[in-house]
This record gives sequence, C-alpha cells and structure tokens, in this order.
Amino acid sequence: QLQVQQSGPGLVKPSETLSLTCIVSGGPIIRKSCSWGWIRQSPGKGLECIGNLFYSGNTYYTPSLRSRVTMSINTSNNHFSLTLTSVTAADSAIYYCARTDTDLTGDYVFNIWGQGTMVTVSS
Amino acid sequence: QSVLTQPPSASGTPGQRVTISCSGSSSNMGKYTVNWYQHLPGAAPKPLIYNNDQRPSGVPDRFSGSKSGTSASLVISGLQSEDEGDYYCAAWDDSPESYVFGTGTKVTVL
Repeated sequence: QLQVQQSGPGLVKPSETLSLTCIVSGGPIIRKSCSWGWIRQSPGKGLECIGNLFYSGNTYYTPSLRSRVTMSINTSNNHFSLTLTSVTAADSAIYYCARTDTDLTGDYVFNIWGQGTMVTVSS
Repeated sequence: QSVLTQPPSASGTPGQRVTISCSGSSSNMGKYTVNWYQHLPGAAPKPLIYNNDQRPSGVPDRFSGSKSGTSASLVISGLQSEDEGDYYCAAWDDSPESYVFGTGTKVTVL
C-alpha cells in the first residue's frame, strides 16, 4: 500500500524559498502510469493545482507561478519535491502533494494525497 | 482565477437531493473528463468521481456525476450530515496546459 508523508517548514520568511518534500513508501515513486502534483489552498480560497510532473519528465506549471516553481523527483530516496522562490504572504497556504495513476482509474485524477503542510510566509 | 465555475454554496436537509454544477469551456471540460473531489474540514481532499461518472472504491453510491458538453454535475442523493464540506470539480485544460480545479461549492446540511 503506497503511503505518502509530507515534510517541510511551516514558516518561511518573505522573499525566501519554500521547499517541501513528499516522502513515498510502500512502492516505487516512478511508474509509467503515474504522475505527481502539488496542490495548495490559501486561507479562505479554493484548491489550486501548482503543477504536475509526468513519468516522461514533462512538467506543467500553473501560469501564475511558472516563473517561481520547480518540481522534481529523486528516485534514490523516493522523494517528490516542490521549490517555490521569492515567496510573499500570498503564498501562505496548505500545500498538498498528490499522485495520479491511470492504471487504477483510467483517468487523470489525484487518488492518493499527502496529509498537507500549512505554510505561513511571515517575517 | 479558476476557469471552472461552480455555485459558491448549496444546502439541504438530511435525506434531500443536492446538485452541484460545474461550467467550463472547450479547452477543458469540452475535451477532457471531469473529476470531483470532496474536501472535508481538517482532511486532505478525496476523489469522489473520476472519468465523469465513475466512483472510486469506497465512495457511497449516493454520489453520482455526469457531464454534457462543457458542463458537469455532481448529485448527492440522500444528503447526510457527514457530507458537509467543500466540493470541487476538476479537469485538465489545454490553454494553458494545466490541471484546474473549480471555484468550489460549500455544502451545508441544515
């Protein structure tokens, strides 16, 4: 049974870089049928998909964050990471990592989620 | 700003039927399947519907989904108190290439 555990700081200073990690256990992080994504929810707002990383290596980032975001996978330690540079208070949110698996659903849907990390941007 | 539009709220008494709409465009729902997620307070979002109308294992059959053209609907038949929370539609979008969530609908059980 695949399990996902998120880690990362809960407090980041303005203008600094936010780094979060999703630690995957119980199975390989890379599978041809799978992709990974980061989703966030700012206080009082809805869900926003920050981006998606596919088995092919292709990444798709939401346009409003494209210049500041990087997602990557480290297969040696089964980590999926998010880096967001030059953060502001507007980046304060609960951040989730999540996985799709088209072998399971035949569809692009996030069916496994991390527990979420509340990140506050403040000095 | 989301490209998938949902009503901000919906409500009903226990046992009632509640319908949530989701309106998109030709670059997202007109071309791709629709998913629905349930987001309860203090929990991670959970997929309720995928591929327009399919339920993952463990999701009660009182939840059903449908899609027609660039619109989709989620129906909760027999509303229960534990259904109170936020519901989001979602789909892939070609322009720009990204996975997008709807604006979200808060369901209240009266």
